[in-house]
Amino acid sequence: EPEVTQTPSHQVTQMGQEVILRCVPISNHLYFYWYRQILGQKVEFLVSFYNNEISEKSEIFDDQFSVERPDGSNFTLKIRSTKLEDSAMYFCASSDQLEAGETQYFGPGTRLLVL
Amino acid sequence: AQSVTQPDIHITVSEGASLELRCNYSYGATPYLFWYVQSPGQGLQLLLKYFSGDTLVQGIKGFEAEFKRSQSSFNLRKPSVHWSDAAEYFCAVGPYNQGGKLIFGQGTELSVKP
Repeated sequence: EPEVTQTPSHQVTQMGQEVILRCVPISNHLYFYWYRQILGQKVEFLVSFYNNEISEKSEIFDDQFSVERPDGSNFTLKIRSTKLEDSAMYFCASSDQLEAGETQYFGPGTRLLVL
Repeated sequence: AQSVTQPDIHITVSEGASLELRCNYSYGATPYLFWYVQSPGQGLQLLLKYFSGDTLVQGIKGFEAEFKRSQSSFNLRKPSVHWSDAAEYFCAVGPYNQGGKLIFGQGTELSVKP
């Protein structure tokens, strides 16, 4: 069964450093997402991406964040200058999203720790 | 505003006992509702979803959920819990448009006693 993969599984970085989190969505999916979960809090939507453009983003997704689909398979989330409060589990997801209510399929997550 | 509430942060049940995890949502129209499960070190796996029609939805691993519009609820049930069901369970609502977001509840952590 196809699945979403993410690398790395864990990342430790110093405050102010740039990090890139990588995802390989399911191959025939059209929409890609990033969510995050700060420890003890809800899973929160960050951004959705379609046809090489951001479809929707949350207020969390400020200028420090960017997304890119650099080739036909990868989908990346970049945090330019990490802050302590960026420490969280980051989930990538993908969907066919041919209509509202389509299932989003999630990867295993990258746990980011900012020191 | 759309929101999802899972009132129970942590539940412990004995193996073989029945299980019900609660989920309440807030949304003006008929929602799209989902239950996901996260086992340690794993991603969020879809258990089941409700779009329309039959209010009792069957999912994987023997789980089912019932949509009750009058109570704005979508509770997850299993008649007999197995030790391997120990995990965190998330209720979510949405997406309402192409490329739209899911809104998640806080999650309920399930522990299973032998």
